[in-house]
Amino acid sequence: GESVGLHLPTLSVQEGDNSIINCAYSNSASDYFIWYKQESGKGPQFIIDIRSNMDKRQGQRVTVLLNKTVKHLSLQIAATQPGDSAVYFCAEIFTGGGNKLTFGTGTQLKVEL
Amino acid sequence: DAGVIQSPRHEVTEMGQEVTLRCKPISGHNSLFWYRQTMMRGLELLIYFNNNVPIDDSGMPEDRFSAKMPNASFSTLKIQPSEPRDSAVYFCASSLYGGVSTGELFFGEGSRLTVL
Repeated sequence: GESVGLHLPTLSVQEGDNSIINCAYSNSASDYFIWYKQESGKGPQFIIDIRSNMDKRQGQRVTVLLNKTVKHLSLQIAATQPGDSAVYFCAEIFTGGGNKLTFGTGTQLKVEL
Repeated sequence: DAGVIQSPRHEVTEMGQEVTLRCKPISGHNSLFWYRQTMMRGLELLIYFNNNVPIDDSGMPEDRFSAKMPNASFSTLKIQPSEPRDSAVYFCASSLYGGVSTGELFFGEGSRLTVL
């Protein structure tokens, strides 16, 4: 039979607009969360992290928001640029169980000129 | 500084053949991870090591897969015998366990395996 691959959610934004990428994590015990960016043909690259004792953390042009009540994580990218086009993954760790990082399915971000 | 180095970058082999993928982590890192990425399953953790010791191999698909880390600067992932369903991109990553950003994994460029 025909195999079915993952259908990555896709977010299309205009250059210069802000992007918001969402993620639902699975383990309520997870206490550390990370966002990764993967460009075509490359390995994932760390963007920003946040611990469960925080609900917001800002980096350069990026902000991560954490809502533990609904197990939701979001990545906001300000003034999105063509170079931001990539697949974005959220990942979670329960640090009490070691440093095993579990990745979500990813979101494809497309920046339109 | 050199990042995580993987080899080969591409491998095409026939079903039943042995495949060995290699990884050199970043010097000073004490954790090493092997991930597999496919369209069907996304990024899956196969196994990880802390200080050269395998900590969790629950993601290794079956006995055909084995991984070793004989020293802090080298790891192998072996598939014997290989099957077409093993076709994927295999990533190695390293990190500094116990550091401030323990979740900051540094990934290699990946080894794209095609089993015919």
